[in-house]
Amino acid sequence: QKEVEQNSGPLSVPEGAIASLNCTYSDRGSQSFFWYRQYSGKSPELIMFIYSNGDKEDGRFTAQLNKASQYVSLLIRDSQPSDSATYLCAGDTGGFKTIFGAGTRLFVKA
Amino acid sequence: DTGVSQDPRHKITKRGQNVTFRCDPISEHNRLYWYRQTLGQGPEFLTYFQNEAQLEKSRLLSDRFSAERPKGSFSTLEIQRTEQGDSAMYLCASSTTAAETGGYYEQYFGPGTRLTVT
Repeated sequence: QKEVEQNSGPLSVPEGAIASLNCTYSDRGSQSFFWYRQYSGKSPELIMFIYSNGDKEDGRFTAQLNKASQYVSLLIRDSQPSDSATYLCAGDTGGFKTIFGAGTRLFVKA
Repeated sequence: DTGVSQDPRHKITKRGQNVTFRCDPISEHNRLYWYRQTLGQGPEFLTYFQNEAQLEKSRLLSDRFSAERPKGSFSTLEIQRTEQGDSAMYLCASSTTAAETGGYYEQYFGPGTRLTVT
């Protein structure tokens, strides 16, 4: 069974701090990885994707991928209360099937 | 609003009844996905269409579940003889193909249909 594992949290950080979210995956064949944000009662929305080893930055978000360690992370700089949500890590298993982790709940305290 | 719509948004049914959900993807998207999400879990892949062809169906899915996408446009998901364990949020998503976007495809999710089986 191909899996994506995340710490369910909750992760609590003060406003303005860096939030660090981590994810591991079991399928070495996975090529692309995604971070989705899901607010309570809402659908997931894509915030970052990454498919090359290293870092990818987009505004306050940085995704990191290490294929040798099968590890993906998301850093959120200058965290805001509006960032409080569940963050879902997902891996692409072959171009069309996406496997999601259970998500990490993030709370940003004002 | 992502442009993906689902109907109904909420459905309450009694155990043993059949239910059908509809998803209308973004019009230019040729890929369509169905997921199921329960509280505290991530979306669980159910099935996937490219145009009108159903290319994969999760082995977790029992024979009570069936999905169609006639003419490669909207899709329906039917659950026969519902059970209480079917209670969940059913999410639909659509995307273009990775080849069209240089290896990257974003799945746009609809608002979901929340099913409650009593």
